[in-house]
Amino acid sequence: AQKVTQAQTEISVVEKEDVTLDCVYETRDTTYYLFWYKQPPSGELVFLIRRNSFDEQNEISGRYSWNFQKSTSSFNFTITASQVVDSAVYFCALKGITSYDKVIFGPGTSLSVIP
Amino acid sequence: DTAVSQTPKYLVTQMGNDKSIKCEQNLGHDTMYWYKQDSKKFLKIMFSYNNKELIINETVPNRFSPKSPDKAHLNLHINSLELGDSAVYFCASSQDLFRGGEETQYFGPGTRLLVL
Repeated sequence: AQKVTQAQTEISVVEKEDVTLDCVYETRDTTYYLFWYKQPPSGELVFLIRRNSFDEQNEISGRYSWNFQKSTSSFNFTITASQVVDSAVYFCALKGITSYDKVIFGPGTSLSVIP
Repeated sequence: DTAVSQTPKYLVTQMGNDKSIKCEQNLGHDTMYWYKQDSKKFLKIMFSYNNKELIINETVPNRFSPKSPDKAHLNLHINSLELGDSAVYFCASSQDLFRGGEETQYFGPGTRLLVL
């Protein structure tokens, strides 16, 4: 069965600190997709990144970076120099490659950035 | 130029009533979804449609019935509302999965349903 674990329920950091959100997944598939979504206090779900399992290159987008380690089944998300606007719930998600596969969301990590 | 829109944004109703939530996407996607987010923020898929055909139907009470009049719309009708139906319902869409489309799902703003 597929599963996504985000062990950190809540994290608080002071503005300008770096913070890493952990994501560990379980799947028997050899090929799959991983995602991160952001849900700010306003409630919408914002897509951040998609990663294919066969592409283990790490990715950087501005202050955001993602570390995909297939050997440890982890897809961690780091925010550098955090800002108050980064305060949100962040979801890691996993999906198989077939059309009938569902997106399995982790329970989310609530990040609070304190000014 | 909203990509995925839902109406209404808020819905407060009495137990036993019937209500509908509408969803529209202007991304040209073929696949649409309904998700439920409970009070603990846990997100779970309810249904998915591809070109108006039901693809995924999770274990959801029969009181929930999705309807897709065309591939740009996926509405959710709920009969005999119960207290436990209170949640945020998200609509999402993605490119045609059956033709190897991109797997990324784009979400609407959500509908906050409160059953009293």
